[in-house]
Amino acid sequence: AQSVTQLGSHVSVSEGALVLLRCNYSSSVPPYLFWYVQYPNQGLQLLLKYTTGATLVKGINGFEAEFKKSETSFHLTKPSAHMSDAAEYFCAVSGGYQKVTFGIGTKLQVIP
Amino acid sequence: ETGVTQTPRHLVMGMTNKKSLKCEQHLGHNAMYWYKQSAKKPLELMFVYNFKEQTENNSVPSRFSPECPNSSHLFLHLHTLQPEDSALYLCASSQDWDPDSPLHFGNGTRLTVT
Repeated sequence: AQSVTQLGSHVSVSEGALVLLRCNYSSSVPPYLFWYVQYPNQGLQLLLKYTTGATLVKGINGFEAEFKKSETSFHLTKPSAHMSDAAEYFCAVSGGYQKVTFGIGTKLQVIP
Repeated sequence: ETGVTQTPRHLVMGMTNKKSLKCEQHLGHNAMYWYKQSAKKPLELMFVYNFKEQTENNSVPSRFSPECPNSSHLFLHLHTLQPEDSALYLCASSQDWDPDSPLHFGNGTRLTVT
């Protein structure tokens, strides 16, 4: 069984501030972890993924995430928020053949 | 055209209507999926096709009927829907069925059942 918990359904940050979106997971097998972003009126788009190897994963648009097995976490960060980062972000875990479980999503608001 | 294309973008239908959603992927992928996205709920996997064969039916009511004529096209046939079926329906594809293969999504069909 696997699950994803995203802490905070809404997060607000000022433009230029650090973005931190939290994700904790549970999985009975070594997990593959993903972050997706959804802009208004669009589908989900892959930001980054962790499979094996380096625990710090870099993605598109300046985002990165760190896999911490001991904390079962995969938090998403960006050093400096931009207005164009306003969107909904989904953490997902895959523990088997396309058995992907998504979190409920975190809406990021960027305040000018 | 590239990526995953879904039509129509918006659909309003009565509970007695029959309609179909269409999805086409231009990525050469072998697996295709239907997801349902409702407000304040995680994405729900509905159906999975791998090399045109249905490999997953996630306890979806029979009023939803998928069809995958080839690995590039996926349909979702709808009939006698209920108001609670109103949602965003997302089509996705992946290179293969491996767990580390990311999903590529279309922009979805916003369905409203009246």
